[in-house]
Amino acid sequence: DGGITQSPKYLFRKEGQNVTLSCEQNLNHDAMYWYRQDPGQGLRLIYYSQIVNDFQKGDIAEGYSVSREKKESFPLTVTSAQKNPTAFYLCASSMRQRTDTQYFGPGTRLTVL
Amino acid sequence: GENVEQHPSTLSVQEGDSAVIKCTYSDSASNYFPWYKQELGKRPQLIIDIRSNVGEKKDQRIAVTLNKTAKHFSLHITETQPEDSAVYFCAAGYGFNKFYFGSGTKLNVKP
Repeated sequence: DGGITQSPKYLFRKEGQNVTLSCEQNLNHDAMYWYRQDPGQGLRLIYYSQIVNDFQKGDIAEGYSVSREKKESFPLTVTSAQKNPTAFYLCASSMRQRTDTQYFGPGTRLTVL
Repeated sequence: GENVEQHPSTLSVQEGDSAVIKCTYSDSASNYFPWYKQELGKRPQLIIDIRSNVGEKKDQRIAVTLNKTAKHFSLHITETQPEDSAVYFCAAGYGFNKFYFGSGTKLNVKP
């Protein structure tokens, strides 16, 4: 899982701002995912992408947007429409399926000021 | 869709004792069951996984058992050590759209 990176580690956002979280992998994985983790809860899927230039909404996509222009990169934008964005955001990748082993990035902790 | 329930939410054991964490799932089509360990502020890391054609899998002090009939699977950690203290997540599902994580178990191993 050392081949998947996220930046920044910590991010502070003022209300009304859009912010973009970076996720890069050099594992040659086709599939990439964004999860949100809140205290005491499991991982909830925001968006996923199985192939370049294609992505699908997960369970909690409202207020978020993504792009997949390159196989290695899957940035997540948290828009001002996301009313409660403070959380720990995890990016992951796998060969092709969610039931292939998923490797996680180190996470970005987003706080709204 | 799939629903994964995980118990207990917290577990405290003495060093050297065994720890067992249980998960149940709802969709009989689920065929992949991984377990992740997450230390505070760190990324989840896969510690063991099992597929539906296997009933039990062991890796040193860690084992996972699967009962497809009852739709539950369990993580067993023997001879626990303080470095086993972390949050453990189970997950279950198949394909892309039927894959969900449990809510996590915080394991505390007391020296």
